[in-house]
Amino acid sequence: DIQMTQSPSSLSASVGDRVTITCRASQSISTYLNWYQQKPGKAPKLLIYGASSLQSGVPSRFSGSGSGTDFTLTINSLQPEDFATYSCQQSYSTPRTFGQGTKLEIK
Amino acid sequence: QVQLQESGPGLLKPSETLSLTCTVSGGSISGYYWSWIRQPAGKGLYWIGRIYTSGSTNYNPSLKSRVTMSVDTSKHQFSLDLRSVTAADTAVYYCARAREDQSRAFDIWGQGTMVTVSS
Repeated sequence: DIQMTQSPSSLSASVGDRVTITCRASQSISTYLNWYQQKPGKAPKLLIYGASSLQSGVPSRFSGSGSGTDFTLTINSLQPEDFATYSCQQSYSTPRTFGQGTKLEIK
Repeated sequence: QVQLQESGPGLLKPSETLSLTCTVSGGSISGYYWSWIRQPAGKGLYWIGRIYTSGSTNYNPSLKSRVTMSVDTSKHQFSLDLRSVTAADTAVYYCARAREDQSRAFDIWGQGTMVTVSS
């Protein structure tokens, strides 16, 4: 199985900040990397697919980059509704695997 | 817009079989991969497996011996059976659709259903 490791596990930031979350794969996955946002009691929501493509309806302050084993999710100008848990997921091979999640909290 | 809705019992006893159904509405069930994903309380997401509308399946090897997935395109439903459950299977279970493109990202999710295994 491909292991996905996110850092940090938690992060405190303020409204208006720019934050970056990192995801590392245990082997190369090309650009088969997706990012999700999850709020308490809700299903995950797809933000970024194919490492850098913005899902329809997702604000442009979200962006993704990377290829191979190292990937980043960047959120520019944090909004109050962005405080949530973010998870990466590889779709290079089965079984599909997710990172452990990064909880973004308000400072 | 496509919507997914999970249904099934919320409480099971150890050794019983968990059976969940996901109903697809507002769009076609055909031509997509459909997955089951679970999340224990306070933990990360875990992929259980997927089924294509042809009936082809891929299961997580860690659960493969206990899992069966099926699809009924006429009813716009797909299902999960997980046999011999234990407390470790307690989680929120989600059904999800994978995008048609190469990314196969999960773009549509059900709201999730809580399943508790307890004697």
